[in-house]
Amino acid sequence: AQSVSQHNHHVILSEAASLELGCNYSYGGTVNLFWYVQYPGQHLQLLLKYFSGDPLVKGIKGFEAEFIKSKFSFNLRKPSVQWSDTAEYFCAVNARAAGNKLTFGGGTRVLVKP
Amino acid sequence: ETGVTQSPTHLIKTRGQQVTLRCSSQSGHNTVSWYQQALGQGPQFIFQYYREEENGRGNFPPRFSGLQFPNYSSELNVNALELDDSALYLCASTFSGGEYNEQFFGPGTRLTVL
Repeated sequence: AQSVSQHNHHVILSEAASLELGCNYSYGGTVNLFWYVQYPGQHLQLLLKYFSGDPLVKGIKGFEAEFIKSKFSFNLRKPSVQWSDTAEYFCAVNARAAGNKLTFGGGTRVLVKP
Repeated sequence: ETGVTQSPTHLIKTRGQQVTLRCSSQSGHNTVSWYQQALGQGPQFIFQYYREEENGRGNFPPRFSGLQFPNYSSELNVNALELDDSALYLCASTFSGGEYNEQFFGPGTRLTVL
């Protein structure tokens, strides 16, 4: 069975700082990878996804993530955060043999101070 | 807004009771998945319904059951509620037809078991 770990539970930054959130997964087969965001009081939204091809993927709101297959990692980055990026971020994995099932990490709560 | 709706938004029950949560999928979607998100954790896959049948199940006991209706809406039923069932229950819909397709999440139902 696949599992996902996110290294940081809480991150506090100032506006304009750079953000990097770590995500590692364990699964030996082919995977699809995702980052979701949950803004306060809102539902889960997809930030970006990787299925195949260029391992550096760009998502909405200036976020990007890099898939490093050898490290089983899919880290999320944003060069300059804004106060509106305050949210909880979840990394998720879909094992292609498991249909539509998503396995989520525990989440990282990000607080951006104005 | 994703077009996925859930009802009710909040619910309070006592131990031993039964609960039914409802989900209306986004137009054009034929698959519904349910996830449990305990406080401070990432969502955990409960099960998925496709063409009115359970099509994949996570590590949840049989007292968690579901239905999917011909219009692709779905219900999650939990019997013999336990305190640990207190969580946000998320419904996600997608179109299953080969390759993985993005899942769209509803706002969730927050269940409190006293």
